[in-house]
Amino acid sequence: GAGVSQTPSNKVTEKGKYVELRCDPISGHTALYWYRQSLGQGPEFLIYFQGTGAADDSGLPNDRFFAVRPEGSVSTLKIQRTERGDSAVYLCASSPGTPREAFFGQGTRLTVV
Amino acid sequence: RKEVEQDPGPFNVPEGATVAFNCTYSNSASQSFFWYRQDCRKEPKLLMSVYSSGNEDGRFTAQLNRASQYISLLIRDSKLSDSATYLCVLHGSSNTGKLIFGQGTTLQVKP
Repeated sequence: GAGVSQTPSNKVTEKGKYVELRCDPISGHTALYWYRQSLGQGPEFLIYFQGTGAADDSGLPNDRFFAVRPEGSVSTLKIQRTERGDSAVYLCASSPGTPREAFFGQGTRLTVV
Repeated sequence: RKEVEQDPGPFNVPEGATVAFNCTYSNSASQSFFWYRQDCRKEPKLLMSVYSSGNEDGRFTAQLNRASQYISLLIRDSKLSDSATYLCVLHGSSNTGKLIFGQGTTLQVKP
């Protein structure tokens, strides 16, 4: 597929558990973004990678959230000790560079029970 | 003040109407601007980029006013299929690639 791929599409987890969300960007795109979106709100910025490095992680809400992109392609968003307030749709997007437009995956709907 | 502000609506218009949305931003150093469209329970999709000179794509016209720090989206001859949330998006400044989203404006086109 040519688009951004996110897995899983849905994840239900118990409070306190650890989760990993995966994003496979469009081939050749150097920039990768993570956002989360709650109902009725616009996407909230979490972190942005340029290549392998996190160019801006100012949106990560606390140290339970961490993201990596070790080879400059696939990225994983990791959430430790999940809380009910972490429930949201987590969106990944990639871009051929900045300041260019970004293309989104279909998101991972995370539900913490 | 939020970096990007939009009237959430909803805007309810009849088919065939012309409707316009504005979006204001606070950072005068913002470099690039976009309008995205998001359907219910779907991911945002790029509708159009916004250029300083203004640009048009069929029934859609986008404009940028740097002096007043706002961008606009005009939709002519509204279709039922235009019903969606329209998100205003911009790059924060020249030294960051961060894309910042507005809350979105909901449009409902009625028959």
